[in-house]
Amino acid sequence: KNEVEQSPQNLTAQEGEFITINCSYSVGISALHWLQQHPGGGIVSLFMLSSGKKKHGRLIATINIQEKHSSLHITASHPRDSAVYICAVGGGADGLTFGKGTHLIIQP
Amino acid sequence: DSGVTQTPKHLITATGQRVTLRCSPRSGDLSVYWYQQSLDQGLQFLIHYYNGEERAKGNILERFSAQQFPDLHSELNLSSLELGDSALYFCASSVGWGVEQYFGPGTRLTVT
Repeated sequence: KNEVEQSPQNLTAQEGEFITINCSYSVGISALHWLQQHPGGGIVSLFMLSSGKKKHGRLIATINIQEKHSSLHITASHPRDSAVYICAVGGGADGLTFGKGTHLIIQP
Repeated sequence: DSGVTQTPKHLITATGQRVTLRCSPRSGDLSVYWYQQSLDQGLQFLIHYYNGEERAKGNILERFSAQQFPDLHSELNLSSLELGDSALYFCASSVGWGVEQYFGPGTRLTVT
């Protein structure tokens, strides 16, 4: 069974700061997902990646398959980025295996 | 809006009762996954249906069951409810598997 570890668990930063959230997993995978969960509870898929790097607006996700590690970066952070960011692996027939999430607070 | 709908949004019931949660996938999606999010266990995979057939089971209790109907909507049935079943239940849909999943808004179940 894949173990997914995220760090940090909690992160408080000032508006405008560059944010990095890390994710490591124990078993080789075909894809890794980054999800965002707002205080209301809804979950939004941010990225699905299997190699290299993807960018969407101020969000960048990278993955190193050999090192079993992925990072999610937020540039020019804003209070509206405050949410829980969840790393998940798999998503095949056996569904996703999730990390515990990173609680991010961006202060104005 | 992901295009995935779940009803009801909130459900409060007593221990020992049975409830049914409903999920309608995005138009064209054949896969429906069910996930449970609790404070102590976090998010975990329960079960996956593809085009009406069960594809995989995760940490789903024997008291829980699911099905996917010909119109592709899915229902998760929870019976003999216990306090520990209180959680957010999400469904997610996708075209198949191994692709991006789209999550519904969730059903918050409170067992008292």
